[in-house]
Amino acid sequence: EPEVTQTPSHQVTQMGQEVILRCVPISNHLYFYWYRQILGQKVEFLVSFYNNEISEKSEIFDDQFSVERPDGSNFTLKIRSTKLEDSAMYFCASRDRANSRNSPLHFGNGTRLTVT
Amino acid sequence: SQKIEQNSEALNIQEGKTATLTCNYTNYSPAYLQWYRQDPGRGPVFLLLIRENEKEKRKERLKVTFDTTLKQSLFHITASQPADSATYLCALYNNNDMRFGAGTRLTVKP
Repeated sequence: EPEVTQTPSHQVTQMGQEVILRCVPISNHLYFYWYRQILGQKVEFLVSFYNNEISEKSEIFDDQFSVERPDGSNFTLKIRSTKLEDSAMYFCASRDRANSRNSPLHFGNGTRLTVT
Repeated sequence: SQKIEQNSEALNIQEGKTATLTCNYTNYSPAYLQWYRQDPGRGPVFLLLIRENEKEKRKERLKVTFDTTLKQSLFHITASQPADSATYLCALYNNNDMRFGAGTRLTVKP
């Protein structure tokens, strides 16, 4: 069964450094997402991406964050200048039907980001 | 403001019993509600979806109900097994973006 893949599985970076988290969504999917989960807390929506542009973003997704789909397969999340509070598990997800609220999300297994 | 609330942080039950998890929502008008399972260190995995005009949906040992008047969904696991131990998340679409409850951590003891 097709799956969403994320790399790296664990990223350690120093405060103030830029990081890029990478995702390969399922190939025929149309909507792409990033979520964040701080240890022990809920899965929080960051941003959705459709038709090569941001569809929605949460208050967490400030100017330090950006997303890109540089080619037909990759979907990236960039954090420009990391802060300690950015330490979390970041999940990429995708779904196959646009404008359809009955399609489930397919998640990757996440990148654990540790900011020191 | 919109909220998705799930009952208690943890639920411990004995193997073979039925686990019942609750999801309540505020300021949503969902046509669909979804349930996911999350294991430690892994991404959520889709389990079931129920439509607003369905009172109940079943899949193997799983059963979901959806009451749009009460704004509540119940998630049942019958004949529970230790392998069912995980966190279960309720999810709703906000426009085209899915939002999750905090989850209920279920532990099934042998």
